[in-house]
Amino acid sequence: DVKVTQSSRYLVKRTGEKVFLECVQDMDHENMFWYRQDPGLGLRLIYFSYDVKMKEKGDIPEGYSVSREKKERFSLILESASTNQTSMYLCASSLGRGLSYEQYFGPGTRLTVT
Amino acid sequence: DAKTTQPPSMDCAEGRAANLPCNHSTISGNEYVYWYRQIHSQGPQYIIHGLKNNETNEMASLIITEDRKSSTLILPHATLRDTAVYYCIVRVRSGSRLTFGEGTQLTVNP
Repeated sequence: DVKVTQSSRYLVKRTGEKVFLECVQDMDHENMFWYRQDPGLGLRLIYFSYDVKMKEKGDIPEGYSVSREKKERFSLILESASTNQTSMYLCASSLGRGLSYEQYFGPGTRLTVT
Repeated sequence: DAKTTQPPSMDCAEGRAANLPCNHSTISGNEYVYWYRQIHSQGPQYIIHGLKNNETNEMASLIITEDRKSSTLILPHATLRDTAVYYCIVRVRSGSRLTFGEGTQLTVNP
């Protein structure tokens, strides 16, 4: 089974802090994704990566950056956390580029910024 | 991206089949139909996908109409653990973003 793990299930940070969210997948998947999910707004893509050291902006990249130094690990960084970044953050991975590769999600990190 | 329409909620008795409909009348020829579900406070879980033929796996069956404008996800013997929000998605090109709509809240009752 594909396993995608995220470093924390729940996280509370203060405004202005730098926040690191880690994601690891164990199936040698090429693609990795970071989403946030908010009530009424659905799932929104922040960043994704097709390969090591490669990243592409999703729909809402502002206020975030990412790092992919190893194939299995994709990190989301909030440079200076703000209250509007309080959300559920979901990491996903998929096998490779193409039209039909399904995405496998981690359990999510519920981040609260106070 | 093709838009999908799903009923906001459905109920099903435990042990019975749950049939979840999805309309996607603007689907393009190279777009797949995907189904995911999300149990409360967990990450989404992939269920099944298809292009034009019916598909079955250990979790569910997917029936796609011949004109591909609608589909039905079938959970053959629903259990309480199948209570979740079910999302029907028509996949965008080139393997990037997933976009979830509101989905269908399925409640399986004892």
